[in-house]
Amino acid sequence: DVHLVESGGGLVQPGGSLRLSCAASGFTFSVYSMNWVRQAPGKGLEWLSYISGASATIYYADSVQGRFTISRDNAKNSLYLQMNSLRAEDTAVYYCVRVDGGHWGQGTLVTVSS
Amino acid sequence: DIQLTQSPSTLSASVGDRVTITCRASQSISGWLAWYQQKPGKAPKLLISKASSLESGVPSRFSGSGSGTEFTLTISSLQPDDFATYYCQQHNSYPWPFGQGTKVEIK
Repeated sequence: DVHLVESGGGLVQPGGSLRLSCAASGFTFSVYSMNWVRQAPGKGLEWLSYISGASATIYYADSVQGRFTISRDNAKNSLYLQMNSLRAEDTAVYYCVRVDGGHWGQGTLVTVSS
Repeated sequence: DIQLTQSPSTLSASVGDRVTITCRASQSISGWLAWYQQKPGKAPKLLISKASSLESGVPSRFSGSGSGTEFTLTISSLQPDDFATYYCQQHNSYPWPFGQGTKVEIK
């Protein structure tokens, strides 16, 4: 079975940093592109970032360009999201999503507040 | 960037009703549209990809249609488990936009 498990969320002050991780299992991780998607409390889904299997291609949403960095370690079957200069509006549940959309993690909550 | 607009935002329906949700794209996306179902506190679940391809294990009462800029998700006979929020998504190119969601409520 495919499993995606996010971790690293928590409470952080505005301007702070956080690194999210997503541990993948049950499939050949290096073959699949991956995405990060978030959902603010009571709001809809927002795509954030994409990374190809070999990390050759990376995209970001305008809302996080220059502040967030996506990366992966295929040897560790792990996806990462480094989040810097965090703002209150970054408060959300963050999901890692396989490129086919059929597999999502359970999400990790990031709260940006003083 | 492509924008997706869903309608309605909220839909009140009864068990057994036929329900249709519409998703309009700001430009043609051919057939590259997915539909997701999300229940409170849970991750979204993929129902349909490529506009009309039902994912394995998804009940046949769900169906999708459309191409170009207009797409629909139809639930032929609403069941209690179907009360949830539904999102469309363009899945051919990046950015990877989602519609704003349609909440299906009990009437």
